[in-house]
Amino acid sequence: EDQVTQSPEALRLQEGESSSLNCSYTVSGLRGLFWYRQDPGKGPEFLFTLYSAGEEKEKERLKATLTKKESFLHITAPKPEDSATYLCAVQNFGNEKLTFGTGTRLTIIP
Amino acid sequence: DGGITQSPKYLFRKEGQNVTLSCEQNLNHDAMYWYRQDPGQGLRLIYYSQIVNDFQKGDIAEGYSVSREKKESFPLTVTSAQKNPTAFYLCASSFDRESYNEQFFGPGTRLTVL
Repeated sequence: EDQVTQSPEALRLQEGESSSLNCSYTVSGLRGLFWYRQDPGKGPEFLFTLYSAGEEKEKERLKATLTKKESFLHITAPKPEDSATYLCAVQNFGNEKLTFGTGTRLTIIP
Repeated sequence: DGGITQSPKYLFRKEGQNVTLSCEQNLNHDAMYWYRQDPGQGLRLIYYSQIVNDFQKGDIAEGYSVSREKKESFPLTVTSAQKNPTAFYLCASSFDRESYNEQFFGPGTRLTVL
């Protein structure tokens, strides 16, 4: 059974203080690993897809990386508007469904 | 503007009532999905459909039903058999392709049982 564990559950940073969020996963055959951002009361917003170990993708202050066991979402010099819950999900080959972690709630303090 | 719409945003249901949540997409996506989100839990898949007139159960299909009569639409009915229906319901859609299958989500419907 596919499993996704995200840590920490919550993270508070000062504005400009860089950090990383972790997504550990177990899956029999990784088709893709997905990162989403979710604001309170809204649907998740797609950020990145990573397909193979060693792959990296960047968008503004965010960079996602992937190994065979985990993914990191690095946030550089964050701003208050980066405050949100970040969700990680994996998809197995031959299976349409995504398995989601419970998310990391990120708060950036001005 | 292309996107996914869900309605209503808020829905209140009395015990024993069936309610239907709407999901429409104009992205020309092949596949559509329904997820349920509860506090402290990851999103859980209720039903999904990869093609018109066909759909499959997800992990928590009991007490729910769906239809896919049009490519653009995938309504979800929460029946009275669903014992704990209060939750945030999310609809998503994607292309059904090997290397471009990201799921994009709608804004959600919050269902509360009174």
